[in-house]
Amino acid sequence: DVKVTQSSRYLVKRTGEKVFLECVQDMDHENMFWYRQDPGLGLRLIYFSYDVKMKEKGDIPEGYSVSREKKERFSLILESASTNQTSMYLCASSRTGRVNTEAFFGQGTRLTVV
Amino acid sequence: QKEVEQNSGPLSVPEGAIASLNCTYSDRGSQSFFWYRQYSGKSPELIMSIYSNGDKEDGRFTAQLNKASQYVSLLIRDSQPSDSATYLCAVNMKRPGGSYIPTFGRGTSLIVHP
Repeated sequence: DVKVTQSSRYLVKRTGEKVFLECVQDMDHENMFWYRQDPGLGLRLIYFSYDVKMKEKGDIPEGYSVSREKKERFSLILESASTNQTSMYLCASSRTGRVNTEAFFGQGTRLTVV
Repeated sequence: QKEVEQNSGPLSVPEGAIASLNCTYSDRGSQSFFWYRQYSGKSPELIMSIYSNGDKEDGRFTAQLNKASQYVSLLIRDSQPSDSATYLCAVNMKRPGGSYIPTFGRGTSLIVHP
């Protein structure tokens, strides 16, 4: 079974803090993604990576950065957390390609910024 | 902007009925289509994938794809209260950098009442 593991299930951080969300997958997938999910807005893509050290901005990258130093690990960084970044953060991974490339999700991290 | 559209619902059906969930997408070049189920507070779980026009059946679930109409649907037969969840339609769409990335609809909430 594909396993995508996020480092924390719940996090509470203070405004202005630097926050690291970690994600690890064990299926040797090339692609990794970070989404945030908010009520009424669905899943929105923050950043994705298609290879080690390679990244592309998604639809809402402002206020975030990412790091992928190893194939299995993809980190999301909130440089200076703000209350509007309170959300559910979902990491996912998939193989490269146009077909048979379903995404598998981690358990999610619910981040609260106070 | 490339989009995936779903009716947010809620869709309410009696136990034992057929639930029909619909999705349209904007990118005519898309080739991979997925349905995810998400229970409240949990991460999305893949339930169906479809790549060719027509129907694909898996147990009580049938996915239908019509590329000419840019339309994907999910039928759930003999609906059970345990099927009550939000159903997310996802389409792999081409990003500016050339990668195919899952783009999600906002989801349809399904309620199956006894």
